Amino acid sequence: GESVGLHLPTLSVQEGDNSIINCAYSNSASDYFIWYKQESGKGPQFIIDIRSNMDKRQGQRVTVLLNKTVKHLSLQIAATQPGDSAVYFCAENAGGTSYGKLTFGQGTILTVHP
Amino acid sequence: KAGVTQTPRYLIKTRGQQVTLSCSPISGHRSVSWYQQTPGQGLQFLFEYFSETQRNKGNFPGRFSGRQFSNSRSEMNVSTLELGDSALYLCASSLLVGTETQYFGPGTRLLVL
Repeated sequence: GESVGLHLPTLSVQEGDNSIINCAYSNSASDYFIWYKQESGKGPQFIIDIRSNMDKRQGQRVTVLLNKTVKHLSLQIAATQPGDSAVYFCAENAGGTSYGKLTFGQGTILTVHP
Repeated sequence: KAGVTQTPRYLIKTRGQQVTLSCSPISGHRSVSWYQQTPGQGLQFLFEYFSETQRNKGNFPGRFSGRQFSNSRSEMNVSTLELGDSALYLCASSLLVGTETQYFGPGTRLLVL
């Protein structure tokens, strides 16, 4: 039969607002998490990562929060700009013999209005 | 330092044909992973190579194969193409074991007619 496309969550914000993108991960054994940004026609671009021994990590305008108890990851973008408009993916790696295997979330479409 | 490069960028094939895609990792990176991205399934892991050895494989049929050369460059091959193989094929490289940050190339857009 015909495949149904993923219905990605969307987040629409005004320029200058703070954005929060959420992600629930499935594998309690995952010990490494990454956020990627993907613009149309491009490959995913690394934003920030965090290991399971941390709860929070900050970068330039971005913060990642990890809650292992409820298996939840969030990406906070401060002072969101139109150039931040893209699809954002969280990814997890279970470590050990997973080696380079990343498991990706479905993605969230962020639209920033000027 | 140059990023991950993938060739070709676009490809059109017909059902039953085979295709080979190429990936050159970031200089010094030794782990290469491949992913398939489709609107229906999102980003899915295909396989990962390190030192010319496949260390992990995703849930794809045997028509999908790959290899890595001594200079860490990698190729993936899809034989007997099906319409459902139309996708963006992404390659990512990381320094050593694959559990560090993976950096992605721009992808190869494959269309199967």
